[in-house]
Amino acid sequence: KQEVTQIPAALSVPEGENLVLNCSFTDSAIYNLQWFRQDPGKGLTSLLLIQSSQREQTSGRLNASLDKSSGRSTLYIAASQPGDSATYLCAVRLINQAGTALIFGKGTTLSVSS
Amino acid sequence: EAQVTQNPRYLITVTGKKLTVTCSQNMNHEYMSWYRQDPGLGLRQIYYSMNVEVTDKGDVPEGYKVSRKEKRNFPLILESPSPNQTSLYFCASSLTAGPYEQYFGPGTRLTVT
Repeated sequence: KQEVTQIPAALSVPEGENLVLNCSFTDSAIYNLQWFRQDPGKGLTSLLLIQSSQREQTSGRLNASLDKSSGRSTLYIAASQPGDSATYLCAVRLINQAGTALIFGKGTTLSVSS
Repeated sequence: EAQVTQNPRYLITVTGKKLTVTCSQNMNHEYMSWYRQDPGLGLRQIYYSMNVEVTDKGDVPEGYKVSRKEKRNFPLILESPSPNQTSLYFCASSLTAGPYEQYFGPGTRLTVT
């Protein structure tokens, strides 16, 4: 069964630091991987979608990479700001699962202090 | 604007009182899905639909029903809610069940007392 793990579970950094969030998954038969942001008690904001054939995607200060063979993805946040404080979730969409549900990690909660 | 909408956004109800959470998308997507999010357990799929009149169970379907009579709508029905169904619920859609991005609704926070 596909498992998605995110490390670390929580991270606190001062404003301005560059940081990396990690996501690993056990089944490499995926269509794609999505990174989401979730503010406390709020909905999911899609940040980046990486198709299985791609190596990385960039949006502003965010860069996500995908190494499907090793079952790893990273989300790089450059020059962090207090407004980046949130929980970041990664999710993979499986090929060999009925319904092709997104399988989510439990998230990394980021706190950026000013 | 392309979006997935859910109603209500917040709901407090009592055990056993039937309720429906509506979900609608305006993107002509074939695939729709419901997830619930619980602390420590993350997001888990409840039900999904590949197209009109085609629905199937996800990982945690017990206590829920769904229907897909129209392409745009995918309501989640709790016929006899119980306190363990207190959760944050998300509806999602994508073009098909293939390599397409899933778009999420804003969420419905349900409390069952």
